[in-house]
Amino acid sequence: DSGVTQTPKHLITATGQRVTLRCSPRSGDLSVYWYQQSLDQGLQFLIQYYNGEERAKGNILERFSAQQFPDLHSELNLSSLELGDSALYFCASSVSSGTGPSGANVLTFGAGSRLTVL
Amino acid sequence: AQSVAQPEDQVNVAEGNPLTVKCTYSVSGNPYLFWYVQYPNRGLQFLLKYITGDNLVKGSYGFEAEFNKSQTSFHLKKPSALVSDSALYFCAVRSQTGANNLFFGTGTRLTVIP
Repeated sequence: DSGVTQTPKHLITATGQRVTLRCSPRSGDLSVYWYQQSLDQGLQFLIQYYNGEERAKGNILERFSAQQFPDLHSELNLSSLELGDSALYFCASSVSSGTGPSGANVLTFGAGSRLTVL
Repeated sequence: AQSVAQPEDQVNVAEGNPLTVKCTYSVSGNPYLFWYVQYPNRGLQFLLKYITGDNLVKGSYGFEAEFNKSQTSFHLKKPSALVSDSALYFCAVRSQTGANNLFFGTGTRLTVIP
């Protein structure tokens, strides 16, 4: 167990629907990162939050949004789902913001949430 | 722009033989480099990282990686492969300045044949 908890582990839904993925970071970690892993595109960075604030944004679609709450857990909201959104969504956490020397901090990954859109 | 290339989708090696998983990168300035491993139905696990200093980095489970600045490479190596090393391996890079996120390669599936 890495200490990063993601729920649900599996989710099957239909096109056009909306889902929420949840992540609880490892105890003491302030940063949360979201990644999408699909067969054809590998691991893609979506977004990072540090202590409740957005810190970095990657290839995140406008249909997707995320937030980090005061208790540091994070949610990734995916709306108007399409077949191509089917993927494994990973959350990772780290102690610091990732800027400067803290960029060498190791990310601890959760086990992922597998989303299937039918 | 930052990017990572793992030129081999699949690497097969016999148990007991040395293994190499290749990685080249592109980044502005000096890099932080990482290797992660993913076992089936699991998240990514950290193996090792390069920050600065000695070009040969030693990590978990007997793995090591060599940073080569002139060739912009960070190949993962192990002197003697185990069947349990079979997994998906990811190389990742981030700039020491600039963009605040980790860029991953597309992964290399390592199969160690008994």
